Amino acid sequence: DSGVTQTPKHLITATGQRVTLRCSPRSGDLSVYWYQQSLDQGLQFLIQYYNGEERAKGNILERFSAQQFPDLHSELNLSSLELGDSALYFCASSPQRAGANVLTFGAGSRLTVL
Amino acid sequence: GIQVEQSPPDLILQEGANSTLRCNFSDSVNNLQWFHQNPWGQLINLFYIPSGTKQNGRLSATTVATERYSLLYISSSQTTDSGVYFCAVRPGMSGAGSYQLTFGKGTKLSVIP
Repeated sequence: DSGVTQTPKHLITATGQRVTLRCSPRSGDLSVYWYQQSLDQGLQFLIQYYNGEERAKGNILERFSAQQFPDLHSELNLSSLELGDSALYFCASSPQRAGANVLTFGAGSRLTVL
Repeated sequence: GIQVEQSPPDLILQEGANSTLRCNFSDSVNNLQWFHQNPWGQLINLFYIPSGTKQNGRLSATTVATERYSLLYISSSQTTDSGVYFCAVRPGMSGAGSYQLTFGKGTKLSVIP
């Protein structure tokens, strides 16, 4: 157990629908990162939050949004889902400490869009 | 952005053999991590190694930051070592407060009995 908790583990839904993925970071970690892993694109960085504020943005679609709450858990919202959104979505957390900022990943949420 | 290239893309080993996986990166980095993605999809930290050498059991890693490469050594491989090994880096010129990692495409390792 890495200490980063992601729910749900598996999710099957239809095109056009909206889903929410949840992540609880390791105790003491202030930064949360979301990554998407698909077969053709590899592991792609989506977005980073630090202590409730957006800190960096990667290849995140406009149909996707995220937030980090005061208790530091984070949610990734995916809307108007398309077949191509089927992927493994990872959350990672880190202490945000220069010189030793190790990212620890959760087990992932596997999304299947039919 | 920074480019991360891993080689070889695929590797098949007999159980008990040794192997070396390579990660080249195109710019200076201040964070480098090696991960193992097991067949169930979990990404497991192996090493945080922006420079120098570390060892953990049968695994060791070396990063030569000035020459922009890192090596992961696996000795006496076991079937449980199978999976995909990723190298991920944070560019040295990243914006303040942004600590995300850029991943290579990975090396898929298959260890056969």
